[in-house]
Amino acid sequence: KAGVTQTPRYLIKTRGQQVTLSCSPISGHRSVSWYQQTPGQGLQFLFEYFSETQRNKGNFPGRFSGRQFSNSRSEMNVSTLELGDSALYLCASSQNPGTYGAELFFGSGTQLSVL
Amino acid sequence: DQQVKQNSPSLSVQEGRISILNCDYTNSMFDYFLWYKKYPAEGPTFLISISSIKDKNEDGRFTVFLNKSAKHLSLHIVPSQPGDSAVYFCAASGGNQFYFGTGTSLTVIP
Repeated sequence: KAGVTQTPRYLIKTRGQQVTLSCSPISGHRSVSWYQQTPGQGLQFLFEYFSETQRNKGNFPGRFSGRQFSNSRSEMNVSTLELGDSALYLCASSQNPGTYGAELFFGSGTQLSVL
Repeated sequence: DQQVKQNSPSLSVQEGRISILNCDYTNSMFDYFLWYKKYPAEGPTFLISISSIKDKNEDGRFTVFLNKSAKHLSLHIVPSQPGDSAVYFCAASGGNQFYFGTGTSLTVIP
């Protein structure tokens, strides 16, 4: 069974640009969550989609947005990039997160560098 | 507001000894707890979980303990091996969202 696939693996952008990250979940998983990891900050929750609907949203500005398609694939968009957006962005899929036994499965992440 | 806290950013342990990683949470509604392990440039991988109806769960060298009254959980690794060197994250959930701690970097010294 294929794991969670995130593309691209690395991205270099400049301030003010926008970026789109992609995530393909494990087959059969309907939930996709996005996290931002920066040194010392752990994994900060961005948002979660389940069956194309955003169910939960973290405390990030509106420049961060996402969507989920009917095949459960998800995209995350960051507009007007700032230097502080440089981070590892992780996508995780699950059958139904929070349910006992339904842990998150993570992709390898997209390392975004904003110059 | 950090609902899940790992107060030790790093830990060093000799090979063969016990590693104890700690995690505290603030929300009494959390009922499902997990530990993840992360190597550099990779996504976190699931290690072990525990439901709030239990106080202990074992899987090989890994044991997770839950103290609900203290809102505290810990991960024990016995014996520690050099390959265990990684960043460990605890996570908690009370619904359909997971809250993660800031991680503890474990170094197992050969």
